[in-house]
Amino acid sequence: GAVVSQHPSRVICKSGTSVKIECRSLDFQATTMFWYRQFPKKSLMLMATSNEGSKATYEQGVEKDKFLINHASLTLSTLTVTSAHPEDSSFYICSARGSGRDNEKLFFGSGTQLSVL
Amino acid sequence: EDKVVQSPLSLVVHEGDTVTLNCSYEVTNFRSLLWYKQEKKAPTFLFMLTSSGIEKKSGRLSSILDKKELFSILNITATQTGDSAIYLCAVVEWGGAQKLVFGQGTRLTINP
Repeated sequence: GAVVSQHPSRVICKSGTSVKIECRSLDFQATTMFWYRQFPKKSLMLMATSNEGSKATYEQGVEKDKFLINHASLTLSTLTVTSAHPEDSSFYICSARGSGRDNEKLFFGSGTQLSVL
Repeated sequence: EDKVVQSPLSLVVHEGDTVTLNCSYEVTNFRSLLWYKQEKKAPTFLFMLTSSGIEKKSGRLSSILDKKELFSILNITATQTGDSAIYLCAVVEWGGAQKLVFGQGTRLTINP
């Protein structure tokens, strides 16, 4: 099946710094990737849709200048949390739409636990 | 506003019991409904349902969709402790980016 790799799995940073999270589709090309945020014991909240070669589409209430998304190739999307603050601490998870017969399924990365001190 | 509602939010049963998880939805242009299992990190795909009345089955898990009443159920028979997880239901609409809209999830705990 399709494999999505997400790095890092865990990051601890100081308030005010920026953190980049990478999401790669390893064995397929992903023209569309999605970034989710998940709070403890809560469901996945869609933050933005990342489209290869074009600007990301952000969900209502998500600051695009705060959460920079770049999808420069068919296998890589990055999420940069700029000037991170403690309230940005959360579990961030990316997903990629499969290809061919799997194109209605999302395959998820293993997530990144961000802790901002 | 489109929404996906799962119930119960939390369920605790004993090993060997059978459980039924529910997912109801209200979306404008329904395309498909997906079930995922999330243990510690990445949700893993279980089923995709597009047609009413056709049961999908995988081992002890099965799922069915009712497009008239706008809901789906996920059944797990002879539960095992390894079934403990959050079960997520998500709906895809036609058009646009075909993003998945997730329900709140059901936290299932299987006690030995």
